[in-house]
Amino acid sequence: SQTIHQWPATLVQPVGSPLSLECTVEGTSNPNLYWYRQAAGRGLQLLFYSVGIGQISSEVPQNLSASRPQDRQFILSSKKLLLSDSGFYLCAWSWGVSSGNTIYFGEGSWLTVV
Amino acid sequence: EDKVVQSPLSLVVHEGDTVTLNCSYEVTNFRSLLWYKQEKKAPTFLFMLTSSGIEKKSGRLSSILDKKELFSILNITATQTGDSAIYLCALVINFGNEKLTFGTGTRLTIIP
Repeated sequence: SQTIHQWPATLVQPVGSPLSLECTVEGTSNPNLYWYRQAAGRGLQLLFYSVGIGQISSEVPQNLSASRPQDRQFILSSKKLLLSDSGFYLCAWSWGVSSGNTIYFGEGSWLTVV
Repeated sequence: EDKVVQSPLSLVVHEGDTVTLNCSYEVTNFRSLLWYKQEKKAPTFLFMLTSSGIEKKSGRLSSILDKKELFSILNITATQTGDSAIYLCALVINFGNEKLTFGTGTRLTIIP
């Protein structure tokens, strides 16, 4: 069966510091990978998705970037965090939402920028 | 912008009650509608609906889609404290696009 792991679970970072959140999927190959953010009182917002190694699509302009160095690894990064980057970040995988498949989420990472 | 609106935003009921959660949208052409349950961290998948009028059922939970009136409902019968969670609906709006558009969710609290 497939599993998804992301870390760290909780992170407190000062404004202007860098960020790296990591996500790995096990039990499948060539999954689509996603980063979502959930701000307080708001729904999940898609930040990035990837359909293959090195292929990144960005949904919203922002202070963040994503990379997919390996088939089952997805990394969310920032060079300099802003206060507005605080939130709950969720990594997810799917065999293709647009193909009618569902999406499965990791446990999430709470980021607080102070 | 494409909209997915869930109502109510918050609901508090007693254990054993039946609840109906609503998800309405302003998109006429979409691939599927999904329901998720989010307790503390990761949203977990409940249902995927693609056809109008066909009920999906899992234990005490059921859901149906009305493509004519542009809404979906999630029913939970004989509620239990373990049903307390945020319930999210999401649309796959564009064919060939990997984006899920989520509503803001309904926070359901079950009182013992």
